Amino acid sequence: DADVTQTPRNRITKTGKRIMLECSQTKGHDRMYWYRQDPGLGLRLIYYSFDVKDINKGEISDGYSVSRQAQAKFSLSLESAIPNQTALYFCATSDPGETANYGYTFGSGTRLTVV
Amino acid sequence: QKEVEQDPGPLSVPEGAIVSLNCTYSNSAFQYFMWYRQYSRKGPELLMYTYSSGNKEDGRFTAQVDKSSKYISLFIRDSQPSDSATYLCAISGYQKVTFGTGTKLQVIP
Repeated sequence: DADVTQTPRNRITKTGKRIMLECSQTKGHDRMYWYRQDPGLGLRLIYYSFDVKDINKGEISDGYSVSRQAQAKFSLSLESAIPNQTALYFCATSDPGETANYGYTFGSGTRLTVV
Repeated sequence: QKEVEQDPGPLSVPEGAIVSLNCTYSNSAFQYFMWYRQYSRKGPELLMYTYSSGNKEDGRFTAQVDKSSKYISLFIRDSQPSDSATYLCAISGYQKVTFGTGTKLQVIP
C-alpha cells in the first residue's frame, strides 16, 4: 500500500456541486498538507494541519475547506465547485522532526475537472 | 517577483548527456534546498536535499547551492530515458516550503 493514498484518482463534477477529496497516510506523520498543481503555476498550498486540532489556511484557501478526522486522515472539500478549480490536487505529509523542513511525502494526486 | 523561479522547459536531451536544471530564489532566509522528481500522473518524490552551500552528490545526481547568488542547480550525469520527468526545486525556511514551477525533462534514447 502507498504511504499516502488519495481518493478518488479522477473526478469530473458539475459547477456548483460539493465534492470531497480524501487523503489517508500510513507514515505516522503529524503534519499534512493539501496542494493544487496547475501548469505554469506549480504547487500552491491550500491548507495545512500540524496535528489533529490544528488547521491553517495556505495561500489559496478561498473556496475550499478541510477536515482533519484523525492523525492519518485529512480531507479537502470544495463547497460549490467552479471551473477554475479544475486542477491536480495533492495531499502530502511531513515529519516534525529532522526532516520537517524538506521531507514531504506526496500522494499520487486527484485529477479534478469541474464542468 | 516570485520567491522561486524555475525555467519550465521543456528540455530535451539525448541519452547519456549531462543535464543541468536550475532555480533562483529571492529570500536569503531560505535554509533548506530540495529537488523533487515527478513522473507523469504521479506525485512529486524527494530526490535530494541540502542545507549548505556547495555540492552534494548521490549517484548520477549532484545538487549544487550557491547562497551568495541565491542559485541552486541539479546536475544529472549519464542521463537515462528513465530520468524523463518533471523536476521541481523546493526551498524551505521558517516552516514554509516554496516550490518552483518545475522543468520538464525528456531524455531521448
